Amino acid sequence: QSVLTQPPSASGTPGQRVTISCSGSSSNIGSNYVYWYQQLPGTAPKLLIYRNNQRPSGVPDRFSGSKSGTSASLAISGLRSEDEADYYCAAWDDSLSGPCWVFGGGTKLTVL
Amino acid sequence: QITLKESGPTLVKPTQTLTLTCTFSGFSLSTSGVGVGWIRQPPGKALEWLALIYWNDDKRYSPSLKSRLTITKDTSKNQVVLTMTNMDPVDTATYYCAHFTQQLGGGGVDYWGQGTLVTVSS
Repeated sequence: QSVLTQPPSASGTPGQRVTISCSGSSSNIGSNYVYWYQQLPGTAPKLLIYRNNQRPSGVPDRFSGSKSGTSASLAISGLRSEDEADYYCAAWDDSLSGPCWVFGGGTKLTVL
Repeated sequence: QITLKESGPTLVKPTQTLTLTCTFSGFSLSTSGVGVGWIRQPPGKALEWLALIYWNDDKRYSPSLKSRLTITKDTSKNQVVLTMTNMDPVDTATYYCAHFTQQLGGGGVDYWGQGTLVTVSS
């Protein structure tokens, strides 16, 4: 059971806009930055979004992140076939036993 | 550029201790704000953070696995070592090492190694 909650799957057709949600609590998303990672099949995850809504250089502006309260979202506009991947949110959690880096359960995005 | 590579056994027996080494380049683990951590992913499952060591030797562990994990660094060799005791088949996973940086704001992961698959089986 992951600390951050994501829908297990999402889908869209080419050109569409899809959003993936990530729900947490006051000890993680509510008080820390959210990160998003893209994991293409058989490869290591890649940083997509940091500090809630910032894109590293090289990440297309079709990808955007937002955060409100204890939830965050990743939006992908102009969906392309190469966007088919697993997406994970992550954040620091200020747990009683010390800070922990926590992930969502991942969302498998299918481009129909 | 920053690169990280994991090395270690691909097969361990139940109850044995796993030792994994992360060898990195493109940064120094003596630079303020930098850390190297370990994250694993069982086949077909989600990512799970295990441990993290910072430039100042501060260490963080997953609460659920803390009793089994030890993370150390050798700054001169650009290496970080993770040991996990009492391995079980449920620990079968791809183990990734990762670069953590406070420069991103919040100290998250910006670079990942390619991962190494560790199977636990007798």
